[in-house]
Amino acid sequence: GQQLNQSPQSMFIQEGEDVSMNCTSSSIFNTWLWYKQDPGEGPVLLIALYKAGELTSNGRLTAQFGITRKDSFLNISASIPSDVGIYFCAGQGGTSGTYKYIFGTGTRLKVLA
Amino acid sequence: DTGVSQDPRHKITKRGQNVTFRCDPISEHNRLYWYRQTLGQGPEFLTYFQNEAQLEKSRLLSDRFSAERPKGSFSTLEIQRTEQGDSAMYLCASEQYFGPGTRLTVT
Repeated sequence: GQQLNQSPQSMFIQEGEDVSMNCTSSSIFNTWLWYKQDPGEGPVLLIALYKAGELTSNGRLTAQFGITRKDSFLNISASIPSDVGIYFCAGQGGTSGTYKYIFGTGTRLKVLA
Repeated sequence: DTGVSQDPRHKITKRGQNVTFRCDPISEHNRLYWYRQTLGQGPEFLTYFQNEAQLEKSRLLSDRFSAERPKGSFSTLEIQRTEQGDSAMYLCASEQYFGPGTRLTVT
């Protein structure tokens, strides 16, 4: 099935460093979501974005809805060991008018203490 | 607990058997989604409901798969004549909120 491109695929960082990841699509979306998933669990919603150019924060997390509506970015500041996991982006809507969400391929984050 | 629940959490079945999974969404949410996730991949859309109406189905959803949402409340996903390729995590989402998933292993 269709999946969005996420970059990087994986990353190792030192505790305390900032992290940036992005998600790109060939289609425009009306909504962008960011999730974190731990092994064996369902994804947990981190941030939802509803408007092009929107910048939203949730604690140490900040996400932006790209102005082209084809991309989104997630930043994590001052990473801690519990930030380890897989981060997924998801897009919804756009010209197709559908309410289904299309997910990215994931960014695997590992934090070295 | 007012979150999304799924039952069972794990299911092991033999090839050719039928299985049914249940999802209980957040009560005031209208849209309910089913996704499938295999190791190393993001969730793949299968189908979604707006209240009791099934509005969209993925081409991934073969005719062995059927989903229902009677009365717009809980939903079930049934897989008939399971195949080893059906082994995956089946996730339900109530609007943007996911349940814990059902891990299916077909032996």
